[in-house]
Amino acid sequence: SQTIHQWPATLVQPVGSPLSLECTVEGTSNPNLYWYRQAAGRGLQLLFYSVGIGQISSEVPQNLSASRPQDRQFILSSKKLLLSDSGFYLCAWSRTPLAKNIQYFGAGTRLSVL
Amino acid sequence: SQQGEEDPQALSIQEGENATMNCSYKTSINNLQWYRQNSGRGLVHLILIRSNEREKHSGRLRVTLDTSKKSSSLLITASRAADTASYFCATGFRYNTDKLIFGTGTRLQVFP
Repeated sequence: SQTIHQWPATLVQPVGSPLSLECTVEGTSNPNLYWYRQAAGRGLQLLFYSVGIGQISSEVPQNLSASRPQDRQFILSSKKLLLSDSGFYLCAWSRTPLAKNIQYFGAGTRLSVL
Repeated sequence: SQQGEEDPQALSIQEGENATMNCSYKTSINNLQWYRQNSGRGLVHLILIRSNEREKHSGRLRVTLDTSKKSSSLLITASRAADTASYFCATGFRYNTDKLIFGTGTRLQVFP
């Protein structure tokens, strides 16, 4: 069966510090991978998605970047965190094509930038 | 914004009552999906309805889709306290099948 791992569960970082959130998927190959951010009590904002190794689509210009160094690994990074980067970050995967499949989510990382 | 809107933003009902949530969207879609999120957790897929379907059932869930009005509804029948969660619709675009756009969500509270 397929599983998705996302860590850490919570993170408190000072403004200006770097960020690296990692997401890995097991039990499938060549998945689509996604990073979302959710502000408190709000909907999901798609940040990045990837349809293959090294292929990253950015949805919202911002202080973050994403990389996919391996087929089932998706990393969200920042060189210098801003207060506005605080939120709940969710990683998800899907089989392709998405039109016939659904997204499976990780447990999320709650990031607080102080 | 491409994001869908959900209505109501919050809904409180008693156990046993039905809960109806609505979703409106703006673009041509390939499919529409509903997800559930317990507080502080990841989302879980509930049901998918394709653009050529009008109604779909799964257990106590009933989803309708009206592409002419660009809207969908999720009905949860005979609600339970365990149904307390946030519910999100997500649309799959016809012209970009690699991503979903999520709505703003409805927070459902079911009182025992």
